Amino acid sequence: GEDVEQSLFLSVREGDSSVINCTYTDSSSTYLYWYKQEPGAGLQLLTYIFSNMDMKQDQRLTVLLNKKDKHLSLRIADTQTGDSAIYFCAELMRDDKIIFGKGTRLHILP
Amino acid sequence: NAGVTQTPKFQVLKTGQSMTLQCAQDMNHEYMSWYRQDPGMGLRLIHYSVGAGITDQGEVPNGYNVSRSTTEDFPLRLLSAAPSQTSVYFCASSYSIMGRTYEQYFGPGTRLTVT
Repeated sequence: GEDVEQSLFLSVREGDSSVINCTYTDSSSTYLYWYKQEPGAGLQLLTYIFSNMDMKQDQRLTVLLNKKDKHLSLRIADTQTGDSAIYFCAELMRDDKIIFGKGTRLHILP
Repeated sequence: NAGVTQTPKFQVLKTGQSMTLQCAQDMNHEYMSWYRQDPGMGLRLIHYSVGAGITDQGEVPNGYNVSRSTTEDFPLRLLSAAPSQTSVYFCASSYSIMGRTYEQYFGPGTRLTVT
């Protein structure tokens, strides 16, 4: 099936690292994306990774890709209250569809 | 650049009415798509287009029509609105590299309620 799987909720203390996991479906997907959605807003691309990479780092964000297990993760270092949002994993499939997971709601504890 | 624009921002329809949600982009992007977002369901792809004159179905196409007569515009038509189509609708566009789609830019969304 075409289901990108993510856990629905994650709670993290301010200052700790957040790790959001995703399992995607198509082993031939070329691009995998992480989007952020704040309340009442549209989606904003956070970062992406090309399938020939294992890791990508961009300031506080680290993306890890395990192609063998079709597993993608997003690590947010030093989590801040402004990181509170829904995070969506998405994959570009071979037929040019971009399919999203259901989103992980990140809650920051004081 | 205005980016991706969507109109209207809010709409209330009665069951059986038809309407068109407008989407336009001024970035000369080849790829455009429509998603609906429902609580607990994430974003589900309705229809997408890889270029003018080409459209294809996504995950949940029933009850919706699209056309792509220009690169800039990608309207979504609801033929006979049903309460199950109450949702927030997002349009997105992206450019292509070597024929494959890349970073998507999303519009602000249209909140549709069908009574």
